[in-house]
Amino acid sequence: DQQVKQNSPSLSVQEGRISILNCDYTNSMFDYFLWYKKYPAEGPTFLISISSIKDKNEDGRFTVFLNKSAKHLSLHIVPSQPGDSAVYFCAASALNTDKLIFGTGTRLQVFP
Amino acid sequence: NAGVTQTPKFQVLKTGQSMTLQCAQDMNHNSMYWYRQDPGMGLRLIYYSASEGTTDKGEVPNGYNVSRLNKREFSLRLESAAPSQTSVYFCASSEGRHNEQFFGPGTRLTVL
Repeated sequence: DQQVKQNSPSLSVQEGRISILNCDYTNSMFDYFLWYKKYPAEGPTFLISISSIKDKNEDGRFTVFLNKSAKHLSLHIVPSQPGDSAVYFCAASALNTDKLIFGTGTRLQVFP
Repeated sequence: NAGVTQTPKFQVLKTGQSMTLQCAQDMNHNSMYWYRQDPGMGLRLIYYSASEGTTDKGEVPNGYNVSRLNKREFSLRLESAAPSQTSVYFCASSEGRHNEQFFGPGTRLTVL
């Protein structure tokens, strides 16, 4: 059973507009969430994270929102740039473990 | 700093052959991880090591063994490769819980 789900395999957004990537989870024991970005033929790189005690975390153009009651998080990228085109993975970890459970990824394409 | 390095970058094996994937990190991290990435499946944890001398199974450990040789190095061994093990393998390291994981560039393995 997939504990972390990214239901949109792909997303296409025009440059300058907002990109919204979504992630749902099922395990109520998850208390820390992260977003990773992956370019082809490279390893994933960390983008932004959020603890379950917060509902928002912002870093420059990137903001992550957490809705614990809905078990949902989202990543907003504003404004979107062509260099943001990549696969985005959300990940979660549960109490007392440093293991991460990853979603299946969303491929974002930002076009001019 | 090189970060997380993996060797080899590419490998082709025949069914039944064995091989070891090497991983090293120079960030003095306690925790190290091995993942595999398959299309539509995201990143799945194979094994991890929370500290030197300890290893634990992840989501998909069958067919693999690991060795935490020292704090820097964490190797993944396939004793008898199977076509189902065709995948991209990523090694990662972190300082531990609630700390981002740093990923290597990956090893693309094909088992014929």
